[in-house]
Amino acid sequence: ILNVEQSPQSLHVQEGDSTNFTCSFPSSNFYALHWYRWETAKSPEALFVMTLNGDEKKKGRISATLNTKEGYSYLYIKGSQPEDSATYLCAFLSYSGGGADGLTFGKGTHLIIQP
Amino acid sequence: ETGVTQSPTHLIKTRGQQVTLRCSSQSGHNTVSWYQQALGQGPQFIFQYYREEENGRGNFPPRFSGLQFPNYSSELNVNALELDDSALYLCASSSLADAQNYNEQFFGPGTRLTVL
Repeated sequence: ILNVEQSPQSLHVQEGDSTNFTCSFPSSNFYALHWYRWETAKSPEALFVMTLNGDEKKKGRISATLNTKEGYSYLYIKGSQPEDSATYLCAFLSYSGGGADGLTFGKGTHLIIQP
Repeated sequence: ETGVTQSPTHLIKTRGQQVTLRCSSQSGHNTVSWYQQALGQGPQFIFQYYREEENGRGNFPPRFSGLQFPNYSSELNVNALELDDSALYLCASSSLADAQNYNEQFFGPGTRLTVL
């Protein structure tokens, strides 16, 4: 059973502050690491799909880094805004030699931006 | 571009009953996956369908079954419902033929199932 851990479980941040949170995943059989943002009453939305060790991705004020050798990824939000309030999920995709794998999700980090 | 849709939004069933949940994939996608999210947990992979055949399955019993139709819509069927089946069920579509997408999933809004 694959174990994907996210921390912290929840986070309150003042508007304008920057923040970051962590996803830990198995360091073996790595294929990809996904980040999703899930706003209340909406569908989860893909932020990043990361595949290479040392990869860094950026979308506006949000960025992510990846370390496959030690099995962790960080998500950073710069200058938090109220619309960043959401649950952020990471999901691990393992390599199975071409077989179909579903994503293994963490429990998410629930981010609340306080005005 | 039409997104992923699911029906119904909410559903209440009693223990022992059977339920069918429906999903319509995003246009151009040929693969559909189903996930169960229980309270306080991350989504858990149930199974994936590609070209109308199941081609991957998570740790769920056989009473969870599915179908994928030629138009890439899909059903999740659960027989002999148990109280623990109460959860949000998410459908996600992707394009398995696109080798660059590493199985990026496009999710629907989910169906909330309550088993009493």
